[in-house]
Amino acid sequence: NAGVMQNPRHLVRRRGQEARLRCSPMKGHSHVYWYRQLPEEGLKFMVYLQKENIIDESGMPKERFSAEFPKEGPSILRIQQVVRGDSAAYFCASSQSGTGVRNEQYFGPGTRLTVT
Amino acid sequence: QQPVQSPQAVILREGEDAVINCSSSKALYSVHWYRQKHGEAPVFLMILLKGGEQKGHEKISASFNEKKQQSSLYLTASQLSYSGTYFCGTEKPNDYKLSFGAGTTVTVRA
Repeated sequence: NAGVMQNPRHLVRRRGQEARLRCSPMKGHSHVYWYRQLPEEGLKFMVYLQKENIIDESGMPKERFSAEFPKEGPSILRIQQVVRGDSAAYFCASSQSGTGVRNEQYFGPGTRLTVT
Repeated sequence: QQPVQSPQAVILREGEDAVINCSSSKALYSVHWYRQKHGEAPVFLMILLKGGEQKGHEKISASFNEKKQQSSLYLTASQLSYSGTYFCGTEKPNDYKLSFGAGTTVTVRA
């Protein structure tokens, strides 16, 4: 499967626990974006990463949220001390380039986080 | 600032046409269109770069008027498989992240 891969697909956490979401971009893609989608709403940009670099994290809450895209391995979105308001679908997208026609962003299947 | 999509929802019978509009108050570099079915990931349909180009994907086409900062998605001779929520994502010059509209829910009935 050459598409964007995310795991887990569903994640249940109790308030105060940590959630760790993983994303492997499409083959040949080095740009990764994380978006959050609340029920019945559109997608909201969170963070944009290239290998080993956070390029733009303007959409990510400054507390409890962090993201990384190491040289080896998937990109990880980490949410510490989760609260009920963190319940949402988190989508990862990847592109070949950051601008222009190659900024076609392809989405993974998403991780649906439920905080109880 | 996110783009504004209209209409919010549209119901069609198979074979009918529809137009979905996406407007931005900011200068745009490109517009991306996606379709998302309930519980699934958004599926990329097409990207339009500034220059007023048009593109097509099966019987779905789109245009981009950069002067008006507007894009329109045209669903022609709709099929049942066209049902879903359509999102436009806009990209500003020298930017890369997409700002998405609230979506237009399309329901195609037999």
